[in-house]
Amino acid sequence: KAGVTQTPRYLIKTRGQQVTLSCSPISGHRSVSWYQQTPGQGLQFLFEYFSETQRNKGNFPGRFSGRQFSNSRSEMNVSTLELGDSALYLCASSLNQGSAYNEQFFGPGTRLTVL
Amino acid sequence: QKEVEQNSGPLSVPEGAIASLNCTYSDRGSQSFFWYRQYSGKSPELIMFIYSNGDKEDGRFTAQLNKASQYVSLLIRDSQPSDSATYLCAVNINNFNKFYFGSGTKLNVKP
Repeated sequence: KAGVTQTPRYLIKTRGQQVTLSCSPISGHRSVSWYQQTPGQGLQFLFEYFSETQRNKGNFPGRFSGRQFSNSRSEMNVSTLELGDSALYLCASSLNQGSAYNEQFFGPGTRLTVL
Repeated sequence: QKEVEQNSGPLSVPEGAIASLNCTYSDRGSQSFFWYRQYSGKSPELIMFIYSNGDKEDGRFTAQLNKASQYVSLLIRDSQPSDSATYLCAVNINNFNKFYFGSGTKLNVKP
């Protein structure tokens, strides 16, 4: 079974631009979560989608948004990029809803650099 | 107080020794606990998960959970240089996929 895929793998943008990242979960997984990882802050939860609905949201500004499609693929968008948005953005998928006993599997990540 | 705390390390152990990694969490309602391994420049890889108090073994890895003391640990027996990585502890607090991660412990296994 194929793992979680993310595109693009690397991205360079300038301040003020916007960016869209894509994630395809493991086949059959309906939950997709997004994380930001930086050396200073570690792995921080952005949001989670299940059945095209955002169920959980972390403490990030409204410039960070996402969506999920009917095939469970997800996109996240960051508008008005800032230098501090430079990070590794990770997508994780899991199988079930409504249970604490779900393992999450991570994709390879998208490395975003904001100049 | 952070939801999940880990010693950042680095933790250095000789090859063949037992590496002990620890994690504490603040929310007593936490229900499930996960250990991930992350090599430099790579994404986190799930090693083990544990839900019930006690020990859970998988090959060279043992996860230990003590809900009364709010800590979870990972033991790596017969440590190998290939185990050198950052180990992340993650906690799922509610019934949905909202995970809190610790900052990770860097493990160095010296040949």
